[in-house]
Amino acid sequence: AQRVTQPEKLLSVFKGAPVELKCNYSYSGSPELFWYVQYSRQRLQLLLRHISRESIKGFTADLNKGETSFHLKKPFAQEEDSAMYYCAPRLSGNTPLVFGKGTRLSVIA
Amino acid sequence: NAGVTQTPKFRILKIGQSMTLQCAQDMNHNYMYWYRQDPGMGLKLIYYSVGAGITDKGEVPNGYNVSRSTTEDFPLRLELAAPSQTSVYFCASRRGEAGGNEQFFGPGTRLTVL
Repeated sequence: AQRVTQPEKLLSVFKGAPVELKCNYSYSGSPELFWYVQYSRQRLQLLLRHISRESIKGFTADLNKGETSFHLKKPFAQEEDSAMYYCAPRLSGNTPLVFGKGTRLSVIA
Repeated sequence: NAGVTQTPKFRILKIGQSMTLQCAQDMNHNYMYWYRQDPGMGLKLIYYSVGAGITDKGEVPNGYNVSRSTTEDFPLRLELAAPSQTSVYFCASRRGEAGGNEQFFGPGTRLTVL
């Protein structure tokens, strides 16, 4: 079955520490992968997509096809990174995004 | 552009009542979606539409109906509200493959059914 897994419900790190939010997927083919973020009292917004291979707000995510993972990383966490993060694959261009259950990141000063 | 807008922001319903959650986008996007967000459960797709006049069921369609008579609007209808439908509802839209795959979200509607 096609599935996306974010194993951590809550991740707490100290300011300045590295952070890694895990995402594993089980999809046949080559899905397109996204990370969405929801800050407190705000709507969901796109953070990263794997095809762009970009760094946004210091975050990067590498698609590892062998491990079927798309972990989100940042070397030095900031308090403003505290938010809910969702990994979301799309199997093909016309299919809807499927969201993981999300990981709440809490950065402690 | 206002982007994706949703009304109302909050609503309390009694069991058995009906209501329509409104969603509109002014970006001329082909694709529109309705998700519900429950604590610890992420977002689950209720219904989606790939264009005016076309709708399809998502993962959790029971108890809901949608219509897409125009490109801009995608209302979600609850006919007989139940406590299990207490949730935050998000509408989203996307232009499509040729125009980009980013999905834009509305601010959400928080619904409580008592």
